[in-house]
Amino acid sequence: AQSVAQPEDQVNVAEGNPLTVKCTYSVSGNPYLFWYVQYPNRGLQFLLKYITGDNLVKGSYGFEAEFNKSQTSFHLKKPSALVSDSALYFCAVRDNTGGFKTIFGAGTRLFVKA
Amino acid sequence: GAVVSQHPSWVICKSGTSVKIECRSLDFQATTMFWYRQFPKQSLMLMATSNEGSKATYEQGVEKDKFLINHASLTLSTLTVTSAHPEDSSFYICSASVGQGFSYNSPLHFGNGTRLTVT
Repeated sequence: AQSVAQPEDQVNVAEGNPLTVKCTYSVSGNPYLFWYVQYPNRGLQFLLKYITGDNLVKGSYGFEAEFNKSQTSFHLKKPSALVSDSALYFCAVRDNTGGFKTIFGAGTRLFVKA
Repeated sequence: GAVVSQHPSWVICKSGTSVKIECRSLDFQATTMFWYRQFPKQSLMLMATSNEGSKATYEQGVEKDKFLINHASLTLSTLTVTSAHPEDSSFYICSASVGQGFSYNSPLHFGNGTRLTVT
């Protein structure tokens, strides 16, 4: 069965510092991985995805993610955090066994302090 | 592009009444939409997959008679919470993927969610 783990409930970082939000996954077959961000009382917004190709994927708002097959990880990164990046971040894996479901991690709340 | 509109954004209803939530894809057609439920400080729980012109596929543990889903057109899916009770209070979010059919490559596009409070 597909699964996603986000080991950190919360990540705190100072504005201007690099940030990393961790994600590990378990899938059978090729992984289809996504990152989404959620602001309070809103739906989720797509940030980036990994399907195949380069291990470093660039996405919206300066975010990028590094796919590591051997460690089954897909960590979200940003070189310089902004206060406005404070939000809830979800890692997700697409069920590639024919069910089309997207399975979400528990979410990591990012706090960027000015 | 790829805008999903969800309405209402919030609703308060009395116990025993029914509430309908609409999810529309404004600038694309979506043969498949997904309904999620999100509890406070928790992740999204997939409730059901809504397929245009056919019955929805419900996840295990989700009562299909309580959460009625109708996907009458390529741009509209509705979730009706029937005989609502306080434990149904939650944040409900719909999503859709661009394009007819479905591609594993396609990200989901989400509505802004509906906060339901049952008193």
